[in-house]
Amino acid sequence: AQTVTQSQPEMSVQEAETVTLSCTYDTSESDYYLFWYKQPPSRQMILVIRQEAYKQQNATENRFSVNFQKAAKSFSLKISDSQLGDAAMYFCAYRSHRMNYGGSQGNLIFGKGTKLSVKP
Amino acid sequence: GAGVSQSPSNKVTEKGKDVELRCDPISGHTALYWYRQSLGQGLEFLIYFQGNSAPDKSGLPSDRFSAERTGGSVSTLTIQRTQQEDSAVYLCASSLDPHQETQYFGPGTRLLVL
Repeated sequence: AQTVTQSQPEMSVQEAETVTLSCTYDTSESDYYLFWYKQPPSRQMILVIRQEAYKQQNATENRFSVNFQKAAKSFSLKISDSQLGDAAMYFCAYRSHRMNYGGSQGNLIFGKGTKLSVKP
Repeated sequence: GAGVSQSPSNKVTEKGKDVELRCDPISGHTALYWYRQSLGQGLEFLIYFQGNSAPDKSGLPSDRFSAERTGGSVSTLTIQRTQQEDSAVYLCASSLDPHQETQYFGPGTRLLVL
């Protein structure tokens, strides 16, 4: 079974600085998707960025970028020019590409999350 | 149209009572997922619906949990004889179809069992 590990329960960053959140995963599949979701106190899970495993190029969305190391099974999130509104829980998630593989129906497998604080 | 909506936003119930949680997916989305977010277990997959097909119930923690999806749209998650360990945030997500990798989440229902 696939697992996702986020080893940093909490992180803190100064406003306008850069922070990197770590995520590692374990899978025997070669094709899959990886995501970072943001969950502010409102509880709404918001997609930050996604990466297809078959793509070597790291995904980027404005101030958010990932460092995808497929061989190392690592998927870190870098937030540049941190803003107060970035403060939230961040979850790394894995999704199999193949439906009905190992019982997967496309559900997401989440890490435990990293709580990010942004200091003014 | 609008995003995924869930109701109620918060629910407090007494141990042993039944509760119903509702999810309204994004219009046109055929795939619907329920997840549970609790302090001790993180985010766990509960159940998956695809259109009018039989659901994948592999994540349901016990037979006290059930869910249905009427007309391929609105879904209801029912917890019978609630226990304190059922206290959690229940999140619903939908995607255009099961092969679309991006799931869009609702705001969740926070359930507290006293």
